[in-house]
Amino acid sequence: GDSVTQMEGPVTLSEEAFLTINCTYTATGYPSLFWYVQYPGEGLQLLLKATKADDKGSNKGFEATYRKETTSFHLEKGSVQVSDSAVYFCALAWDQGGKLIFGQGTELSVKP
Amino acid sequence: EAGVAQSPRYKIIEKRQSVAFWCNPISGHATLYWYQQILGQGPKLLIQFQNNGVVDDSQLPKDRFSAERLKGVDSTLKIQPAKLEDSAVYLCASSPRTAYGYTFGSGTRLTVV
Repeated sequence: GDSVTQMEGPVTLSEEAFLTINCTYTATGYPSLFWYVQYPGEGLQLLLKATKADDKGSNKGFEATYRKETTSFHLEKGSVQVSDSAVYFCALAWDQGGKLIFGQGTELSVKP
Repeated sequence: EAGVAQSPRYKIIEKRQSVAFWCNPISGHATLYWYQQILGQGPKLLIQFQNNGVVDDSQLPKDRFSAERLKGVDSTLKIQPAKLEDSAVYLCASSPRTAYGYTFGSGTRLTVV
């Protein structure tokens, strides 16, 4: 069945460092891909999305490009801040409003 | 706009007891979801409603879990009897089904002892 795999955490970075969180998926076809973020004590929030191959999603300085050749959707940010400390989830879905299939999450901790 | 409301925020029960969680979605959102998030794992869909009807409940342990969505608005998820492995955060989300991405509530953290 469909699945999403993320790099293991926790990831610890210093402020202003470059961030990459790897995400790959297994699916037959080309689903839509998402990154969600969960700040401490809060619910999941949609960070960015890409609905077709080669699309780039971006928000709040984060970017991810849908690569069908490598079935990947890696999350990147050029300069992280302490406020980016959270758990990041990669996910896929097949249609608007359809169920999300999540990866296991990657915890990011940014130190000043 | 108001977000997805869930209650209670925390619940501790003993195994074999029953528990219920409540969710009020964003007004006008036709689709409502319940996800289970076990510590260290990504959320897993338990059940999806479209208005009053069930779209997907294939991952719902129906021998102990039940859910309903009355009048296509609020929803209740019940566990009876609870097991230790049900300890998790239960997330409710809603979607207008015309756009990708949901709005999630803050969740109910259940601890079964």
